[in-house]
Amino acid sequence: RKEVEQDPGPFNVPEGATVAFNCTYSNSASQSFFWYRQDCRKEPKLLMSVYSSGNEDGRFTAQLNRASQYISLLIRDSKLSDSATYLCVVGERTYKYIFGTGTRLKVLA
Amino acid sequence: EPEVTQTPSHQVTQMGQEVILRCVPISNHLYFYWYRQILGQKVEFLVSFYNNEISEKSEIFDDQFSVERPDGSNFTLKIRSTKLEDSAMYFCASTSGGTGELFFGEGSRLTVL
Repeated sequence: RKEVEQDPGPFNVPEGATVAFNCTYSNSASQSFFWYRQDCRKEPKLLMSVYSSGNEDGRFTAQLNRASQYISLLIRDSKLSDSATYLCVVGERTYKYIFGTGTRLKVLA
Repeated sequence: EPEVTQTPSHQVTQMGQEVILRCVPISNHLYFYWYRQILGQKVEFLVSFYNNEISEKSEIFDDQFSVERPDGSNFTLKIRSTKLEDSAMYFCASTSGGTGELFFGEGSRLTVL
């Protein structure tokens, strides 16, 4: 089983749509969880940290289910500028961070 | 806003040559990393560095690779004898270890001919 798994997509959605991405991780001892965004040929940038209680930042909502080892990201009211690859990142106790393959999102006008 | 800086942004080299990629992590950060991303593929962990020594390394990080923090600010990745398959974007990252957020540099693109 891969350490961090994501559906690679691509997800093609119209502007204004709601889209959800999922991620599963294999190491039950993982301690920190993040969603990063990566634009083509650029460095990953933090979108949001993910907490067990769930957290929201504007149009973005992240959820963590430790029992199922599952992380999700919901984007509401998609904008053209949301088009990017979304990376699920899991941090282990030793501060080693493992990246998922990424999910490509294309928001269409 | 503090940032991770990397040089060079792009390096072209011949197979078998040595390459050194340089990084200046954020100044109060304690953990440093190198990742690589082959075009169209995932971001892969190479090595983590803490307290002046390697904390962890991946299977990719074989004897051809080494890291060094020569002067308290720079953090370098050396590839001793480059292969064609080393062509990739190499990202340096750092974290303070608190909230755990990783901050990335803009990357160094390595092309091996």
